Amino acid sequence: GQNIDQPTEMTATEGAIVQINCTYQTSGFNGLFWYQQHAGEAPTFLSYNVLDGLEEKGRFSSFLSRSKGYSYLLLKELQMKDSASYLCAVRSNSGYALNFGKGTSLLVTP
Amino acid sequence: DTEVTQTPKHLVMGMTNKKSLKCEQHMGHRAMYWYKQKAKKPPELMFVYSYEKLSINESVPSRFSPECPNSSLLNLHLHALQPEDSALYLCASSFPLALQETQYFGPGTRLLVL
Repeated sequence: GQNIDQPTEMTATEGAIVQINCTYQTSGFNGLFWYQQHAGEAPTFLSYNVLDGLEEKGRFSSFLSRSKGYSYLLLKELQMKDSASYLCAVRSNSGYALNFGKGTSLLVTP
Repeated sequence: DTEVTQTPKHLVMGMTNKKSLKCEQHMGHRAMYWYKQKAKKPPELMFVYSYEKLSINESVPSRFSPECPNSSLLNLHLHALQPEDSALYLCASSFPLALQETQYFGPGTRLLVL
């Protein structure tokens, strides 16, 4: 089975940096995804990690440590529009289905 | 074009109705997915089609019936639903077994069962 944990809620200030953590325990591992989901909208793809290390994409970076079952999503220069739910999802070796964590609701304040 | 489209955007139905949700993509993806998402919860996988064949059914009740008429289309037929089936139904697609194989989601159909 899969167990994916992330904080339920976080609050940060506009212009700041925030790190959203995700830990996972899976029977196999074939990649970790981060998605952003605004209320009432579909999840949109942010990043993908399958090897250890940091992947940077503009204001967003994602880190993976497979030995620790740990990932984080780093958001820099926060903007009000970054207020959303951030979903960590793991794909196991057994196929291409994604298992999602419960999501972290991020509120960016002025 | 990384767009997955879904119709209708909103649907209200009674427990005796029969309706269908539709999903379409023209990215050449050969895997398509149905997810159900309740408020403040993550998406839960329902079905996976790979090369137009049903490959995963996550023990979904038979009142939900998926159909994949061709590689671009995915339907979800609904019959005799219950009020607890009210949710956002998301369709996604991807290149199966590709190295990264990102799933791209449609905007969803918000379903209310009365």
